[in-house]
Amino acid sequence: NAGVTQTPKFQVLKTGQSMTLQCAQDMNHEYMSWYRQDPGMGLRLIHYSVGAGITDQGEVPNGYNVSRSTTEDFPLRLLSAAPSQTSVYFCASSYSVWDGNTIYFGEGSWLTVV
Amino acid sequence: DAKTTQPNSMESNEEEPVHLPCNHSTISGTDYIHWYRQLPSQGPEYVIHGLTSNVNNRMASLAIAEDRKSSTLILHRATLRDAAVYYCILRYNYGQNFVFGPGTRLSVLP
Repeated sequence: NAGVTQTPKFQVLKTGQSMTLQCAQDMNHEYMSWYRQDPGMGLRLIHYSVGAGITDQGEVPNGYNVSRSTTEDFPLRLLSAAPSQTSVYFCASSYSVWDGNTIYFGEGSWLTVV
Repeated sequence: DAKTTQPNSMESNEEEPVHLPCNHSTISGTDYIHWYRQLPSQGPEYVIHGLTSNVNNRMASLAIAEDRKSSTLILHRATLRDAAVYYCILRYNYGQNFVFGPGTRLSVLP
């Protein structure tokens, strides 16, 4: 079982560049989300989606865009990278956000902006 | 919003039980209590969750206080692979997102 797959695992960007972090899940989950984790801190929600065509902002959405054209994929776009976006990014999914179901996380994408 | 409070860090000896506490005094009646853990350089993984009754699974047990204002994650026999950050999370509204605090860093000593 692939579960939640994130690519790339590591990336170095220059300030001002744009890029897309890819996230795919093969569990037919409705709910997908992106978190960022800064050193020594917990995870903070960036954007989430409760189904194809539906997205919403989380706690720290500025500087990021998302779209959900299919159930499987939930890419995260950095529009103009800044050093403050240096972080580890985790994609997550669950069957539904409307109950206590388990959330499954990807292995993370380490992003450095110089 | 209901919040959780956990100790920043705890230590345990290998093969001994570990009790990880979590306070959530403002929990509401529909909030599930979830525990996740994050091993070094990995994404968080599900450990256990419950609503009112104590819960057991192959990884751990969850003891929930009668008033639900606190809970304890119990690892029955700690191994070195259990060294991780453990997060206690409330699903603070039906249908809302998970909110992660800083968690408890568990060190397991051989």
